Amino acid sequence: GAVVSQHPSRVICKSGTSVKIECRSLDFQATTMFWYRQFPKKSLMLMATSNEGSKATYEQGVEKDKFLINHASLTLSTLTVTSAHPEDSSFYICSARDDFGELQPQHFGDGTRLSIL
Amino acid sequence: EDQVTQSPEALRLQEGESSSLNCSYTVSGLRGLFWYRQDPGKGPEFLFTLYSAGEEKEKERLKATLTKKESFLHITAPKPEDSATYLCAVQAMGSGGYNKLIFGAGTRLAVHP
Repeated sequence: GAVVSQHPSRVICKSGTSVKIECRSLDFQATTMFWYRQFPKKSLMLMATSNEGSKATYEQGVEKDKFLINHASLTLSTLTVTSAHPEDSSFYICSARDDFGELQPQHFGDGTRLSIL
Repeated sequence: EDQVTQSPEALRLQEGESSSLNCSYTVSGLRGLFWYRQDPGKGPEFLFTLYSAGEEKEKERLKATLTKKESFLHITAPKPEDSATYLCAVQAMGSGGYNKLIFGAGTRLAVHP
């Protein structure tokens, strides 16, 4: 149980392109999902908290207009990196927490490796 | 400021050589401490949740313990397939009042046959 699917797993695109990443909870409902960024050999840095039916909450220093988050249903959140540039290249990981309890663990997708040329 | 520190940064063990990984934390009001395993190029895989000092959880060769200041992940008789990065995270209050996880930098474990 508690499977989170993230798609695509890898994207290579030209500078200036917008890229959309999907995060789905397959066997549970998730009112709250999370988007992280991870640099090589570094830990996960929370970018934003995605809330179904309302605006996402962004961490300090994360550009809202650069990283657009939409949480349209209880099982799907999307992250769009707009007008991506080489400095946006990174490993992006989403997670979802089962609505059943506030202290339920977050379950993670397998990440998206984004490479901007 | 809420903070999570893991040590050592990297650990090399021989198969069967037991050891412990440390996670020390400072957080205003611990609501939960989580251990995850992360393989290269993958997302973290949930292992344990600990809620209060004195609590212990076990899964196969892994055992997690919690005190008021730190948590340990004990690995008994490790096998090469236990090689991974082990991440510790604490749950704290984030922007806008939502709970968020604060991760340590992880311990990269390599178990050699």
